[in-house]
Amino acid sequence: NAGVTQTPKFQVLKTGQSMTLQCAQDMNHEYMSWYRQDPGMGLRLIHYSVGAGITDQGEVPNGYNVSRSTTEDFPLRLLSAAPSQTSVYFCASSFAYMNTEAFFGQGTRLTVV
Amino acid sequence: TQLLEQSPQFLSIQEGENLTVYCNSSSVFSSLQWYRQEPGEGPVLLVTVVTGGEVKKLKRLTFQFGDARKDSSLHITAAQPGDTGLYLCAGAGAAGNKLTFGGGTRVLVKP
Repeated sequence: NAGVTQTPKFQVLKTGQSMTLQCAQDMNHEYMSWYRQDPGMGLRLIHYSVGAGITDQGEVPNGYNVSRSTTEDFPLRLLSAAPSQTSVYFCASSFAYMNTEAFFGQGTRLTVV
Repeated sequence: TQLLEQSPQFLSIQEGENLTVYCNSSSVFSSLQWYRQEPGEGPVLLVTVVTGGEVKKLKRLTFQFGDARKDSSLHITAAQPGDTGLYLCAGAGAAGNKLTFGGGTRVLVKP
């Protein structure tokens, strides 16, 4: 049982480049979310989805896009990378957004130079 | 300003000592969760508390949800080096369909 799979694990981008962070889950969870983790800031919600075809913004959505065409996949797109987007990104999935366990991927460490 | 404030940010103790981590907010939550994160890994759920005043125990860890459902605490008795990690609280139900995390408390238990 793979759980939540994120790719890539590490990435270096130049300022202005775009890229997509992949996230897939095999638990048939409806709720998926993307967080970024910076030192001393905990996890901050970027975007989330309550089901296929439905997405919404979190606390820090600027510079990121998401889509949810299937239950399994929830890719995060960086439109034009900036050094301020250097961070560790975590994808999570859960049966619902509250009272149920959120399962996290292992993270993607992104550096923008 | 984060919806959930954790304190302290960092805690370093000797093996065998007790510690308490606090998670506070001015908002009311439907439920609150505690996660532990180790380096290079994603957070892993420890417990979910739902009812105001609820106390849950997980071996040497005791979790409490405040009566007003605005705050929570995690107490570790006789800490061991294996308890080292980043402890995160997360609340649901105060900001729409979102699970909001606190800033985390980094715990170091020295042998």
